[in-house]
Parts: sequence; structure tokens; C-alpha cells
Amino acid sequence: EAGVAQSPRYKIIEKRQSVAFWCNPISGHATLYWYQQILGQGPKLLIQFQNNGVVDDSQLPKDRFSAERLKGVDSTLKIQPAKLEDSAVYLCASSLKEGGPQHFGDGTRLSIL
Amino acid sequence: GENVEQHPSTLSVQEGDSAVIKCTYSDSASNYFPWYKQELGKGPQLIIDIRSNVGEKKDQRIAVTLNKTAKHFSLHITETQPEDSAVYFCAASNPGQLTFGSGTQLTVLP
Repeated sequence: EAGVAQSPRYKIIEKRQSVAFWCNPISGHATLYWYQQILGQGPKLLIQFQNNGVVDDSQLPKDRFSAERLKGVDSTLKIQPAKLEDSAVYLCASSLKEGGPQHFGDGTRLSIL
Repeated sequence: GENVEQHPSTLSVQEGDSAVIKCTYSDSASNYFPWYKQELGKGPQLIIDIRSNVGEKKDQRIAVTLNKTAKHFSLHITETQPEDSAVYFCAASNPGQLTFGSGTQLTVLP
């Protein structure tokens, strides 16, 4: 089966600019997650969707980050405006159901100048 | 919230030797413990997982053990090969939301 697809793979922007990331989960996977992975650390959950509803966004900096999952399939994560500390890899993962094994995409590496 | 500690942060072994990575967790309600392998420029790849009703699970050269009483779990890799070199992450979940450890850089020396 096809894995989790993410784009773009790399993005370089200046601080205060906006950026968006796209994720296409494994077909049929109801649960979708966005993680932030800072260099040298483990991934940290930002937001979890069950179909097109938000299950947990307690660690999402809502003043600058937003995410949506229209129609319960693809998802986008947006940052506006970006700060230097947002430089990280943004990973998308999906699972067949909540609590099931999570499968990750290869991420988008974001660099803020 | 859950806190996962992982040791060691770096590990070098000779090809053919065994490698062991250990993690502890804080939330006794956590019931799912996956291990991921991450190669440079790639996303984490699930290599093995264990649920709290099982004490040990094995898949070829990889095994995971869980001690619920002590709240720790370990990854064991036997007969290591150069392609096992990567960063390994443990995680704990209750349920769905994974909390990751800080990772172990494993280097297998030929």
C-alpha cells in the first residue's frame, strides 16, 4: 500500500512569512496526526484528527498555527507568521483507528531565515 | 502528562553484537509502546510495538520487553548489521497520542 505522502519536502522562508504543508494519509486511515520534530529531539504531537474532527490540539500554538482536514482525507498545516523557533521537520502520520499503529511520512523540513 | 526517558543517547556496537536501548515512562495508564527507526532524511518507521497485556514480543532479530510494574520497556537487537545504524525512538501512548523519547543514535561498526 502507498505510504503517507507529504509535500513539499523542503521549505525556506523568512521570519514573519507564512507557510503551508500538505499531507495525504494512507487510504482508509481515519486518524491523522501532525508532529513537530526539532533537530536532535523526538517528534512532538501538534494536533490529532479523527476523520475531519479535531481530537486533540492542546499542544498547537493556536496564535500562529492552524490545521484542517476537509472531507476527512487530506490535511494542511499552516504557520502564520513564522518565527525562528519554528525551524523543524513537520511530520504527518496516520493510523487506521485511534490507538492503532501510526505510520509516518518523510516530513517537510522547514528553515526560517 | 506522559514523560518518556530514553537511554543511552548514543550506542556503538560491533557488527554481530547485540544492542539494548531502554526507556522509562511516567503515566501508569499508558498501554501501547511502539519503537521507531529513523534514518537520515526519512520519517520514523515502525519496527515493533507491544501492548500492556504482553510482557515480551519478538520479530526475527528484534525483541521488546515490558515491565509494567517498573514502568520501563526495552528494545533488543541481536546480530546487528551495518544497516541497523540509525536513530531509534521509543514512545508511550494512552491512547492515540504518542509521547516520544529523545532518541538513541545506534552505530554498528563493521
